[in-house]
Amino acid sequence: EAQVTQNPRYLITVTGKKLTVTCSQNMNHEYMSWYRQDPGLGLRQIYYSMNVEVTDKGDVPEGYKVSRKEKRNFPLILESPSPNQTSLYFCASKQGMYQETQYFGPGTRLLVL
Amino acid sequence: QKEVEQNSGPLSVPEGAIASLNCTYSDRVSQSFFWYRQYSGKSPELIMSIYSNGDKEDGRFTAQLNKASQYVSLLIRDSQPSDSATYLCAVKGIDSNYQLIWGAGTKLIIKP
Repeated sequence: EAQVTQNPRYLITVTGKKLTVTCSQNMNHEYMSWYRQDPGLGLRQIYYSMNVEVTDKGDVPEGYKVSRKEKRNFPLILESPSPNQTSLYFCASKQGMYQETQYFGPGTRLLVL
Repeated sequence: QKEVEQNSGPLSVPEGAIASLNCTYSDRVSQSFFWYRQYSGKSPELIMSIYSNGDKEDGRFTAQLNKASQYVSLLIRDSQPSDSATYLCAVKGIDSNYQLIWGAGTKLIIKP
């Protein structure tokens, strides 16, 4: 089954404790991205990757890091999480940068205390 | 700053009626417009895309685009309780590095 998976689905952590949210897709998609979704603000892009070893900042990259060492994986790293990073995070992928349809993962709900 | 605006709702519509969802955008050069549906606690899923002025129909859904007035709408005919969800409008412009700009969504409630 074609899908985007994220882990963990729910995470409670404390300020400053490094964490990684994994994202993996099995569709051989070149393009992957991370979004955060907050009430009243809609989806905001954090980082995106057009292919292996090619990443770029989205609208709200501060406090986040990403890497794309393999085509299928695109982890999101919070080196020192803060309470303002409490949010719902979605990973998404699509075949290429110009493709319209992107596929979202199930989401990771993060609470930073 | 490019913006996409939606009424947050909730919009309450009786079952069987037409639900009308609206979205306005600020970037005049926007070219592609999308409606996503997001059930509570779930991820967004694409339901309609539209690229040129006029109407585009897909089953019970009709997307309407008016570039001169910078708005895009989604009509849902014969609304069903299963249509209850948040509907997100997303817009892509030619100068936004092909990234989508998202509205905050309209919560739709279909009452049986």
